[in-house]
Amino acid sequence: SQTIHQWPATLVQPVGSPLSLECTVEGTSNPNLYWYRQAAGRGLQLLFYSVGIGQISSEVPQNLSASRPQDRQFILSSKKLLLSDSGFYLCAWSVGFGTTGYTFGSGTRLTVV
Amino acid sequence: SQQGEEDPQALSIQEGENATMNCSYKTSINNLQWYRQNSGRGLVHLILIRSNEREKHSGRLRVTLDTSKKSSSLLITASRAADTASYFCATALPSNTGKLIFGQGTTLQVKP
Repeated sequence: SQTIHQWPATLVQPVGSPLSLECTVEGTSNPNLYWYRQAAGRGLQLLFYSVGIGQISSEVPQNLSASRPQDRQFILSSKKLLLSDSGFYLCAWSVGFGTTGYTFGSGTRLTVV
Repeated sequence: SQQGEEDPQALSIQEGENATMNCSYKTSINNLQWYRQNSGRGLVHLILIRSNEREKHSGRLRVTLDTSKKSSSLLITASRAADTASYFCATALPSNTGKLIFGQGTTLQVKP
């Protein structure tokens, strides 16, 4: 069966520190991968998506970057965190081109202090 | 840019009552999906309705889609306290990326 792992669950980081959030998918090949951010009490904002290894599309220019070094691994990074980077980060995967639902990870609560 | 907007933003009902949430969107879609999110957790996919479908059922869930009005509704019948969560609609645009654009969500509270 397919599963998605996302870690860590919570993270408190000082302003200016680097960030690395990792997401891995098991049980499927060549998934579409997505990073979303959710501000408190709000909807989800699509940050990055990837349809294959090394293929990253950015939706919103900001302080973050994403990489896909392996087929089922998606990494969200920052060189220097800002206060505004705080939020709930969700990784998701799907197969096909929007014809099926997403499976989400359990999320990472990031607080930048 | 925001595609889906849910209405109402918050809804409080008694257990056993029905809950209806609405979603409006702006552009052509491939399909529309509904998700549930319990507090502090990831989203769970509930149901997907394609642009050529008008109604779909899954257990106590009923979804309708009106592409002429660019709107959808999610009905939860005979609600339970466990249905307390936030509900989001998401639209899949006619593209080859599989991107979903989410609305702001409706927070549902079901009182026992």
